[in-house]
Amino acid sequence: GAGVSQSPSNKVTEKGKDVELRCDPISGHTALYWYRQSLGQGLEFLIYFQGNSAPDKSGLPSDRFSAERTGGSVSTLTIQRTQQEDSAVYLCASSLHRGQETQYFGPGTRLLVL
Amino acid sequence: DQQVKQNSPSLSVQEGRISILNCDYTNSMFDYFLWYKKYPAEGPTFLISISSIKDKNEDGRFTVFLNKSAKHLSLHIVPSQPGDSAVYFCAASAGTGGFKTIFGAGTRLFVKA
Repeated sequence: GAGVSQSPSNKVTEKGKDVELRCDPISGHTALYWYRQSLGQGLEFLIYFQGNSAPDKSGLPSDRFSAERTGGSVSTLTIQRTQQEDSAVYLCASSLHRGQETQYFGPGTRLLVL
Repeated sequence: DQQVKQNSPSLSVQEGRISILNCDYTNSMFDYFLWYKKYPAEGPTFLISISSIKDKNEDGRFTVFLNKSAKHLSLHIVPSQPGDSAVYFCAASAGTGGFKTIFGAGTRLFVKA
């Protein structure tokens, strides 16, 4: 596809369950970012991958959150033991290189934790 | 600590008039600034950017102004159109030694026909 894709588009889960969110970046983009947007809030940085370098996890809110990027392409964001405050839109973006590149965003995954 | 602030959560403008969206930042290391536009149920899309070596960048109806001494930037849309109604995010990054882009909370623009 031409753009960043994310799946699922919507996810409803029960408190305490684990969820996995997937991101397919634009082909050839070496940088991949995860953000979340809670209701009425801005975009909160979560984690950043650049090529084969160690990811910058400084934005992850707790150790229940983790992310992987396999083969320098697809990324999975995992939230363990979900809490109601995890409810948000999770956005993935990719850019050609690290640094001051325009980021291309996917449509997001809307997560609702009941 | 909000390094990028958009103090107006919403703005309403009449079609054909100018829309001015404001953004303030606190980190003097930021040297690249961007505006993104977001429609409901879609991801943000890049609109316009400016490097700190400039004080103005124009692209069609969109102009971004940067005042480094005041740590302030603004996005001007003229003339405003109903299709411009969206949430606008200001973002900033520091190229030297970093990559991380910090986003503001967004301003929702309503352009009335």
